Amino acid sequence: GENVEQHPSTLSVQEGDSAVIKCTYSDSASNYFPWYKQELGKRPQLIIDIRSNVGEKKDQRIAVTLNKTAKHFSLHITETQPEDSAVYFCAATNSGYALNFGKGTSLLVTP
Amino acid sequence: EPEVTQTPSHQVTQMGQEVILRCVPISNHLYFYWYRQILGQKVEFLVSFYNNEISEKSEIFDDQFSVERPDGSNFTLKIRSTKLEDSAMYFCASRTSWPKETQYFGPGTRLLVL
Repeated sequence: GENVEQHPSTLSVQEGDSAVIKCTYSDSASNYFPWYKQELGKRPQLIIDIRSNVGEKKDQRIAVTLNKTAKHFSLHITETQPEDSAVYFCAATNSGYALNFGKGTSLLVTP
Repeated sequence: EPEVTQTPSHQVTQMGQEVILRCVPISNHLYFYWYRQILGQKVEFLVSFYNNEISEKSEIFDDQFSVERPDGSNFTLKIRSTKLEDSAMYFCASRTSWPKETQYFGPGTRLLVL
């Protein structure tokens, strides 16, 4: 089955700096890669996703890149703010099937 | 904006007891999922449900677990005889049909088995 590895497990940045979280996946059939943000005690919320026919997608301060050949994808957050502090999970799936999550990255943005 | 809802928000039960966790998916969604998250760990897939039957299940989803869509709005997860290791946050998720692949998560039910 699909195995998703996520790094780093914790990340601390100063407000205004950029943050990058990286994930790798094992199943070449995976074609949908969402990123979820989870605040303490809350539900995971989708922040951005990318499909395998696209190499990069951007939404304001958030961007995701995908390298299908290397089977890795990354989340980039620019101009970080304290409210970006949360746990971020990457996931991979073959359309419609179960989401396979990474272990999460705890991001702390300090003022 | 419509959201997935779940009840109860918290449940405490004794080992060996049966629990039923309830979810109301977003009304026009067709695919339903249960995931669990043990404290401090990643979200793990349990089961997916489409067209009134299980479409996929993980190794975690053994004979102690069952799912049901008893009516047009609810989606339930039953654990027949709870174990200590079933203590976790259980999330329901739903999505509409392809090509929309986004799964929307409910707020979760925190289950504590004593």
